[in-house]
Amino acid sequence: GENVEQHPSTLSVQEGDSAVIKCTYSDSASNYFPWYKQELGKGPQLIIDIRSNVGEKKDQRIAVTLNKTAKHFSLHITETQPEDSAVYFCALRGAGNMLTFGGGTRLMVKP
Amino acid sequence: GAGVSQSPSNKVTEKGKDVELRCDPISGHTALYWYRQSLGQGLEFLIYFQGNSAPDKSGLPSDRFSAERTGGSVSTLTIQRTQQEDSAVYLCASSLSGAVYNEQFFGPGTRLTVL
Repeated sequence: GENVEQHPSTLSVQEGDSAVIKCTYSDSASNYFPWYKQELGKGPQLIIDIRSNVGEKKDQRIAVTLNKTAKHFSLHITETQPEDSAVYFCALRGAGNMLTFGGGTRLMVKP
Repeated sequence: GAGVSQSPSNKVTEKGKDVELRCDPISGHTALYWYRQSLGQGLEFLIYFQGNSAPDKSGLPSDRFSAERTGGSVSTLTIQRTQQEDSAVYLCASSLSGAVYNEQFFGPGTRLTVL
């Protein structure tokens, strides 16, 4: 089945710095790429998504880029704040009915 | 409005016992998904329901796992003869339909511990 590699597994940044998380995949049929944020004891929550016909999408301090040729997509968070601390998951959807998730990145923003 | 709810929030059971986990999707959502999240890992797809269509069971890890969705709303995931490796957080999600771009809304999960 589809495989999604997510890096890094942990990321520590100083408040105000930027954070970048990258995912790579293998199935060229993948056409939808959401990012989820999961806080302790809660279910994942969608923060931004991108479709395969778009190269970049921004929403305030969050942006996602997609390189279909290289088969990778990245999450960029600028001006990080302590409340951004959480586990972030990339995911994708291809021919199947389900989302396939990366292994997660634990982001810690130090005040 | 109300989001996806799951019960119980925590379940501790003994190896060999059966467990039932419940999911109440968002009202009006026709698609329902179950995922499993092992400690420190990503989410693993288990099963998908869409309307009255036959469920996609391709992610169920063994025949000890089964799920049903009655009346197109509430879903129950059943694990028979639980094993220690079944310990995980079981997450339910629903979406407006099964279309690719529909957001999947997740519940808080049920943390299952098999002793």
